[in-house]
Formats: sequence, structure tokens, C-alpha cells
Amino acid sequence: TQLLEQSPQFLSIQEGENLTVYCNSSSVFSSLQWYRQEPGEGPVLLVTVVTGGEVKKLKRLTFQFGDARKDSSLHITAAQTGDTGLYLCAGQDTGRRALTFGSGTRLQVQP
Amino acid sequence: EPEVTQTPSHQVTQMGQEVILRCVPISNHLYFYWYRQILGQKVEFLVSFYNNEISEKSEIFDDQFSVERPDGSNFTLKIRSTKLEDSAMYFCASRGAGQGNTEAFFGQGTRLTVV
Repeated sequence: TQLLEQSPQFLSIQEGENLTVYCNSSSVFSSLQWYRQEPGEGPVLLVTVVTGGEVKKLKRLTFQFGDARKDSSLHITAAQTGDTGLYLCAGQDTGRRALTFGSGTRLQVQP
Repeated sequence: EPEVTQTPSHQVTQMGQEVILRCVPISNHLYFYWYRQILGQKVEFLVSFYNNEISEKSEIFDDQFSVERPDGSNFTLKIRSTKLEDSAMYFCASRGAGQGNTEAFFGQGTRLTVV
């Protein structure tokens, strides 16, 4: 069974600070996706990383896929209150189409 | 922008009753999924559906669950005899075809409450 561990589980920071969220596994994934989920709503796709070592930027968000395709990180620069939410990583195994989700990191950005 | 739509947004049902959750995937997508998320827990895979048949299912997806694509647009999840522990958010997702098409798009979810 593939598992994705996210850390930290909870993060409360001040507006303007930087933060990094980690997503780790002992398994190799063919791709990894980051989602953001608001309470009572479905996950909204932020980015997909496919190649080991790949770095993708989405405004103040930087996503990295580990060289071995077992881990990933999300770095937010100069956090804003609008970044508050639950961030989920989800990996796709080469042989499966289904996603394995991490448990999520709940981010609270204080004004 | 194309999106996955789910109905109803909230369903309350009595234990033992049958429920059908409905989804309209993105129109040119070929892979369809159901996931669930019990309150405070992680999103869990239930079933995937491709070419009018189940391609994969998890241990959660037992005989009480079934999926159907009754026409060209709808994708449904049926729970035959609901249990209290079926209470959760149920998410439908769809994905396009092709090896390079890895992105799954999720609906807003149906909150199922079994009482």
C-alpha cells in the first residue's frame, strides 16, 4: 500500500512569512499533484509534477518533485491571508490511474 | 472553464436506505472516479471507471456500492443500504485520455449524512 505523509499537519504563520510543506513517501510515483481544498468543497488542482527534479512555479508558489520521484515540496513566498486552506498532495502510481492522497497540511495565515 | 458537477450538494438519508449520487464529468474526459472523505480524514479512493467498466476499486468499494454511466454524460454512485459510517463527502473526478494526461479534476462534492 502506498502512503504519502505530509508535514507539518498544521501551520499558522503571519502574513508575509515564507513556508514550506513537505510530502514524502517510500514509493515512487509517476506523477504528483498538489491540490488546495476549502471547507465543504472539492480539491482544486494547483499543479502536476511529472519529472524527477522538476520545479514549477505558480506566482508565489514553488513546487518541486524529488529526483527519485518519492517526495515533493510546496514553498510559499510572502504568504497572504488568501493562502489559508488545506493543501493536499496526491501521487499517481505508474500502474494505477487512481490517486493516493496525503493527509494534508492545514495552513492558517494570520493578518 | 469546463468543470465536474455533482448533485445533490447535500443528501440526508436514513440508515438502510439507498442513495444515488450523481456526477457530470468534463465532457471529453474518459476516466471517471469516485473518492470519499470522512470528516477530518484524508481523501480515499473508491473506484475508477473506464470504457464502461470498473477498472479499479478499493477495499472500501464493497457489494453495497455500484457505479454506472447510464448515458453519455452522467456518472453515478449508488449505495444500496446505507450505514452510519457511510457519512462522508463524496467526490467525483474525471481525467482525460492519453499517457501524458495525468490531471484529475474534482467536483464540489456531495455531503452524505446517514442518520
